Amino acid sequence: GAGVSQSPSNKVTEKGKDVELRCDPISGHTALYWYRQSLGQGLEFLIYFQGNSAPDKSGLPSDRFSAERTGGSVSTLTIQRTQQEDSAVYLCASSFSASGANVLTFGAGSRLTVL
Amino acid sequence: DQQVKQNSPSLSVQEGRISILNCDYTNSMFDYFLWYKKYPAEGPTFLISISSIKDKNEDGRFTVFLNKSAKHLSLHIVPSQPGDSAVYFCAAEGGSEKLVFGKGTKLTVNP
Repeated sequence: GAGVSQSPSNKVTEKGKDVELRCDPISGHTALYWYRQSLGQGLEFLIYFQGNSAPDKSGLPSDRFSAERTGGSVSTLTIQRTQQEDSAVYLCASSFSASGANVLTFGAGSRLTVL
Repeated sequence: DQQVKQNSPSLSVQEGRISILNCDYTNSMFDYFLWYKKYPAEGPTFLISISSIKDKNEDGRFTVFLNKSAKHLSLHIVPSQPGDSAVYFCAAEGGSEKLVFGKGTKLTVNP
């Protein structure tokens, strides 16, 4: 597609429920990233996929968070047993590795509200 | 441990004047620095970058300056326009392909 597509754009859930957030990266982009932005905070790195390499999961805040990337394209971020502190905008980005700065193209985000 | 810091949460300037957004970093291994702009309800969009071997990069109204000895960079917007009103994020890259972001500065350009 022309840009990074994320769904749903908004999700309201009850504490303790599981949620899945989807990201469709730009076609041909080999790298895919998940970040989140909590209220008043910057962009917090969560996880990074690059080609067929093992993902860098160093930013996942707890074992309730997981992500997969199927076929090197679409990615799903899953949050199990959601807590109120999980409320944030979850941003997906993709990039094509080349020389120079690694420019990430972001989607519009999925706003998660945990009641 | 915040590796990229934007100490001013907000900045307000008059249309036509210069906007200067500042960013400090702690990791001397960063080799690229990027600025992103974010409008409400949209994802961040890339604005301009600079390599650590340069001290200035210019693109139209936007110029980024890098002072490696001070571990400081700044984004200059001149002349500022009301459409520039957004949150600006400084980001750094080095050693891996992850970007480390600051908390952002909200710029308001008043007509």
